[in-house]
Amino acid sequence: GQNIDQPTEMTATEGAIVQINCTYQTSGFNGLFWYQQHAGEAPTFLSYNVLDGLEEKGRFSSFLSRSKGYSYLLLKELQMKDSASYLCAATGGGNKLTFGTGTQLKVEL
Amino acid sequence: GAVVSQHPSRVICKSGTSVKIECRSLDFQATTMFWYRQFPKQSLMLMATSNEGSKATYEQGVEKDKFLINHASLTLSTLTVTSAHPEDSSFYICSVLDSGARAAQYFGPGTRLLVL
Repeated sequence: GQNIDQPTEMTATEGAIVQINCTYQTSGFNGLFWYQQHAGEAPTFLSYNVLDGLEEKGRFSSFLSRSKGYSYLLLKELQMKDSASYLCAATGGGNKLTFGTGTQLKVEL
Repeated sequence: GAVVSQHPSRVICKSGTSVKIECRSLDFQATTMFWYRQFPKQSLMLMATSNEGSKATYEQGVEKDKFLINHASLTLSTLTVTSAHPEDSSFYICSVLDSGARAAQYFGPGTRLLVL
């Protein structure tokens, strides 16, 4: 079966750094995605990891450890517009994505 | 990534009627599309995999006769909610599969369905 765990909500301060963790258990693992979803909108792609290590893309970085079934999304220099839900998703057989419940991030002044 | 559109963006219908939702891949030929449903404060749940030119593959617990999927071309998949009931009210989102190395999915803007 597929199982994705991530915290339900987090709060951070504008300008700070926040790390959102995700643990997963999937069969036929073929990569780990992070998506951002603002309320009432569809998810937008942030990052993809299939090999162990850190992928950096501007203010966003994502890390994967396949042996531990663990990933995190790191957001630097937080902005108010970063307040959103962040979805961790793992690919399994048939290119299907299994989503976690999402982490609602609130950025405060 | 691929640009995906959905129509309509919002629909209100009476209980017992059918509603068709279109998902279009505007700049990418999509052999495979996915249909998801998302209830408030919950994550996306995969309903079915839509394959161009063949029958859709439904996830366990999703009624194929209630949620009709047609993927007649490489740019269009449709989801028809038949005999809609209030419990079908949800946010329906499609995605296009980029069958490249990372198999990324790109999502449409979603359709909010309200069944009265």
